[in-house]
Amino acid sequence: SQQGEEDPQALSIQEGENATMNCSYKTSINNLQWYRQNSGRGLVHLILIRSNEREKHSGRLRVTLDTSKKSSSLLITASRAADTASYFCATPNSGGSNYKLTFGKGTLLTVNP
Amino acid sequence: ETGVTQTPRHLVMGMTNKKSLKCEQHLGHNAMYWYKQSAKKPLELMFVYNFKEQTENNSVPSRFSPECPNSSHLFLHLHTLQPEDSALYLCASSQPGGADTQYFGPGTRLTVL
Repeated sequence: SQQGEEDPQALSIQEGENATMNCSYKTSINNLQWYRQNSGRGLVHLILIRSNEREKHSGRLRVTLDTSKKSSSLLITASRAADTASYFCATPNSGGSNYKLTFGKGTLLTVNP
Repeated sequence: ETGVTQTPRHLVMGMTNKKSLKCEQHLGHNAMYWYKQSAKKPLELMFVYNFKEQTENNSVPSRFSPECPNSSHLFLHLHTLQPEDSALYLCASSQPGGADTQYFGPGTRLTVL
């Protein structure tokens, strides 16, 4: 079953505005990751937040994690047209002999110049 | 992004053809993954290899046959595919365990006629 689910499915903003994307998950996790994908390309890891962290920053990115609500948010500040991409959250789950990541369907962010 | 390479980047094949996708990672990782990404669907994990051993086969049809000759190379052999197999096939690598960051290749866009 799907672990992480992003919201909204699509988001369109103007350059310079902030963009917030949310992720909800179902089971306990030890970390949550955000990835970005430009159209038709591979995913690029953005940030990992561990279950004992509440907030993490990386450049213009801010990620929060609320384990009591089983949710995370990704905030991109001062957006640029180059931020246009799909953003995915991913959570690890154990299955058999190894951990694996489960990805949501993603949020398609469009930043208009 | 050049840590994981995939070839070819685009592939068009008929249902009776046999072809192979290749993935190579230069990151010193010991875990490698194949994912399938279809339109409007979450990323689907297909296979996981840890230290060259297959540790996960996510109920993938036998027309997809993976091969991992060493920790740096991963192949996906394709035969007798169906049009619904058309998708973006992504390779990723990580340290063993898979719960931390995964590094993705640019993908192979496969079209089955």
